[in-house]
Amino acid sequence: DAGITQSPRHKVTETGTPVTLRCHQTENHRYMYWYRQDPGHGLRLIHYSYGVKDTDKGEVSDGYSVSRSKTEDFLLTLESATSSQTSVYFCAIMSSGGGDTQYFGPGTRLTVL
Amino acid sequence: SQQGEEDPQALSIQEGENATMNCSYKTSINNLQWYRQNSGRGLVHLILIRSNEREKHSGRLRVTLDTSKKSSSLLITASRAADTASYFCATDQGAGSYQLTFGKGTKLSVIP
Repeated sequence: DAGITQSPRHKVTETGTPVTLRCHQTENHRYMYWYRQDPGHGLRLIHYSYGVKDTDKGEVSDGYSVSRSKTEDFLLTLESATSSQTSVYFCAIMSSGGGDTQYFGPGTRLTVL
Repeated sequence: SQQGEEDPQALSIQEGENATMNCSYKTSINNLQWYRQNSGRGLVHLILIRSNEREKHSGRLRVTLDTSKKSSSLLITASRAADTASYFCATDQGAGSYQLTFGKGTKLSVIP
């Protein structure tokens, strides 16, 4: 599993509340990613990071922000959750020595009521 | 928007049969990858094929890439019930890109 953990694994929250999801890796990889997975859409990239304090937007970044203050942690924040953000969120890292292969965490199932 | 599109969306076969899934993409790529996702789990990398390769094997997996047709296929031979999963192709955005774009996946069911 490339030493990737996500927390929490499940969360139910209400519309309008802030939510932060955490991705933690133990192998010092430079690149980290946040995806969301929805039925009929596959995986879509939200944000990614290419180093401490270096982040960029993906395909579906509206309503999300990220931070990376340490190599090992990549945080995804929903400032004011909406029902359309109900999804399964996956964190991934890119292996430095494995070409462009990505390794995924176990996912966080988020429900916004 | 999705770069890769898998076909078929769903596939049901008997154990022991071969399963073939296809992926089409739109723009030039540096490499194409296939991933597997078991229900409720994260994606697991299966195989990577570079744009200058035409075929690659890994165990019971065979991947082909036709850059002129912008398509790839994943063949799983002698399928097992444990192969039941969703399979996704993923493409990069060209040399120097560190992003992947995933298709919507093929859901494979292998019936014992």
